[in-house]
Amino acid sequence: DIQLTQSPSSLSASVGDRVTITCRASQTIGTSLIWYQQKPGETPHLLIYSASSLQSGVPSRFSGSGSGTDFTLTIGSLQPEDFATYYCQQTYSTVLTFGQGTKVEIK
Amino acid sequence: QVQLVESGGGVVRPGRSLRLSCVASGFTFNSYAMHWVRQAPGKGLEWVGVVSYDGGTKYYADSVKGRLTISRDNSKNTLYLHMTSLRGEDTSIYYCARDKDGSYYLDYWGQGTLVTVSS
Repeated sequence: DIQLTQSPSSLSASVGDRVTITCRASQTIGTSLIWYQQKPGETPHLLIYSASSLQSGVPSRFSGSGSGTDFTLTIGSLQPEDFATYYCQQTYSTVLTFGQGTKVEIK
Repeated sequence: QVQLVESGGGVVRPGRSLRLSCVASGFTFNSYAMHWVRQAPGKGLEWVGVVSYDGGTKYYADSVKGRLTISRDNSKNTLYLHMTSLRGEDTSIYYCARDKDGSYYLDYWGQGTLVTVSS
């Protein structure tokens, strides 16, 4: 199975900060990478697909980049509603896998 | 609007079986592949498996292969997860999710149903 490793596992940031989360795949996956946001007590919410395409309705402060094995989710200016856990997921293989998650907390 | 409503969770003893259901509405169910994803309390997301729009193709995570089986009844707009030989590590919230367009993007999720495996 393709392993996804996110870093950091958690971070503290302030409103207005630029935040970057990385996801590294154990083998090349092209641009077959998804990013989700999950707030406490809620279900995951699709943010980015195909590594860099913004899902409809998602604010433009969210962006994704990368290809091959290294990917990045960037929040341009962190808002109060962005404090959540973020997961990457690969769609390259028919056996899907998620990263372990990155928790974004208030500083 | 798209709605996915899971049911069937509860407390079950190790080694027993359970069937979860997910009733879909607000979209043409028989046109979409569907997934199950689980999340142990306080932990991350774990993909369980997927079934194609017509039920003809299924893939599973290695951790559940042979014990958990996905099926669907398109006449009832319902997705199922048949769980056998349950173990403590199967304790999780189980979510059903719609595959956006066959590309394995999960664009709508149900609220989940909690399965607790305990003696």
